[in-house]
Amino acid sequence: LQLQESGPGLVKPSETLSLACNVSGGSITSSTYYWDWIRQPPGKGLEWIGSVSYNVNSDYNPSLESRVTISIDSSKNQFSLRLNSVTAADTAVYYCARRASSHWYFDYWGQGTLVTVSS
Amino acid sequence: DIVMTQSPDSLAVSLGERATINCKSSQSVLYFSNNKNYLAWYQQKPGQPPKLLVYWASTRESGVPDRFSGSGSGTDFTLTISSLQAEDVAVYYCQQYYSSPFTFGQGTKLEIK
Repeated sequence: LQLQESGPGLVKPSETLSLACNVSGGSITSSTYYWDWIRQPPGKGLEWIGSVSYNVNSDYNPSLESRVTISIDSSKNQFSLRLNSVTAADTAVYYCARRASSHWYFDYWGQGTLVTVSS
Repeated sequence: DIVMTQSPDSLAVSLGERATINCKSSQSVLYFSNNKNYLAWYQQKPGQPPKLLVYWASTRESGVPDRFSGSGSGTDFTLTISSLQAEDVAVYYCQQYYSSPFTFGQGTKLEIK
C-alpha cells in the first residue's frame, strides 16, 4: 500500500487549503479501513485532523471541526482534505494515513506535504 | 480529549546503552472487554513520516528490531531501546487510539551522548 499527498504548497490567509491523498495498492472503498489526515507544524508535534471511511460518516477533531471536510472520491481511489479560513497557524506538513477498523493505530503513512499559509 | 504526556522531552544516551521513554495518558486507555491497551509508539526521523514501532502497547510491528520493546498498562507506558544504535536517533511519539480525537504525546528527541 502506498499513500501520496498532493496539492498547493502555498495558500493565502482566509482561503481554503485543499489536499488529496492518492491510494495505490489497495481499494479505498473497503469499509475495513479508515483514511486519516494528520498534520505537524514545523518543529512541533503531531495533530490528528480527522478521518473518513467508505459509507461511514467522517470524524473530525473538535478543535478543527468547524473548518474541516474530509471526503472520498472512489472513482480516483483517493480521499481529500479541505480546511477553510486558514491562518498562519495552519502552516504544517500534512500527512495522510490509514487505520484498520480492527485496530485504530496508523499503520501506513504518506510522505507528507508542506503547506505554508502566507500572503 | 485524552492528553498524552511524554518524559523526558529529550534524551542523550551512549551507543549500546539502554534508552527509556515514558508516556502517561490522562485517562486509562485499557479496554476491559478485550484487555488491550490502545497505545502505539512511532519513530520519526528528519524529513520522514512517523513509522509505527509498537501497537497494543507491547506488540512490535513486523520488521522492527527486537531491541525496541513497549510495556505498561492503563495510564503509564514505556518504550525501551535495549542497546542504542546510531540509526535510532529520532523523535519518538506515543499515541492513544482508545477514543477520538486520537492524540499524540509531544515527542521525545533521542540523541547520541
